[in-house]
Amino acid sequence: QVQLVESGGGVVQPGRSLRLSCAASGFTLGNYGMHWVRQAPGKGLEWVAVMSYDEDDHFYTDSVKGRFTVSRDNSKNTLYLEMNSLRTEDTAVYYCAKVPGYNFWDYMDVWGKGTTVTVSS
Amino acid sequence: EIVLTQSPATLSLSPGEPATLSCRASQSIGSDLAWCQQKPGQAPRLLIYAAGTRATDIPARFSGSGSGTEFTLSISSLQSEDFAVYFCQQYNKWPLTFGGGTKVEIK
Repeated sequence: QVQLVESGGGVVQPGRSLRLSCAASGFTLGNYGMHWVRQAPGKGLEWVAVMSYDEDDHFYTDSVKGRFTVSRDNSKNTLYLEMNSLRTEDTAVYYCAKVPGYNFWDYMDVWGKGTTVTVSS
Repeated sequence: EIVLTQSPATLSLSPGEPATLSCRASQSIGSDLAWCQQKPGQAPRLLIYAAGTRATDIPARFSGSGSGTEFTLSISSLQSEDFAVYFCQQYNKWPLTFGGGTKVEIK
């Protein structure tokens, strides 16, 4: 069964760091583009970052550029989102999602349940 | 960036009734639109992609239509498990964007 499970969320002070994990099962991460999407309290979904299937391409929404980094551990079949210099506006539920094939510029066909990040002093 | 506007924000209906949800794009996106269902504490679930193609294991009561800037998700007869939030996603132009969602609630 194809599944994504996020973890690593929590409460953190502004300016601190956090690393989110997205463990994949039922498929090989290296064959698919993978996205991070977030949803702030009471708001809609916002695309955050993407990594291509071959790890050659990484793209980020403007508000997290230079602060967030997507990476992957193929041996663990796990995707990561390293978040540095966190701001209160980064407070959200963070989802990882896969696309149906190699091309990351596509719809998201499998999502995780999300992990909650709260940035507060 | 392409803005997706969903309407209505909330739809209050009874089980067995049909539902019609709208998603309007700020510019043409062809048929590059997906619909997902979201329930509290659960992973969002893909329902429709390419504007009108049902995803695997999605019941036939769900259907999608439209192209260009106007899209519709229809549920022919609401079941108890269908009361949820529905959002659209476009993948025609970068960055990928999402609609604000429509909540289908029990009347």
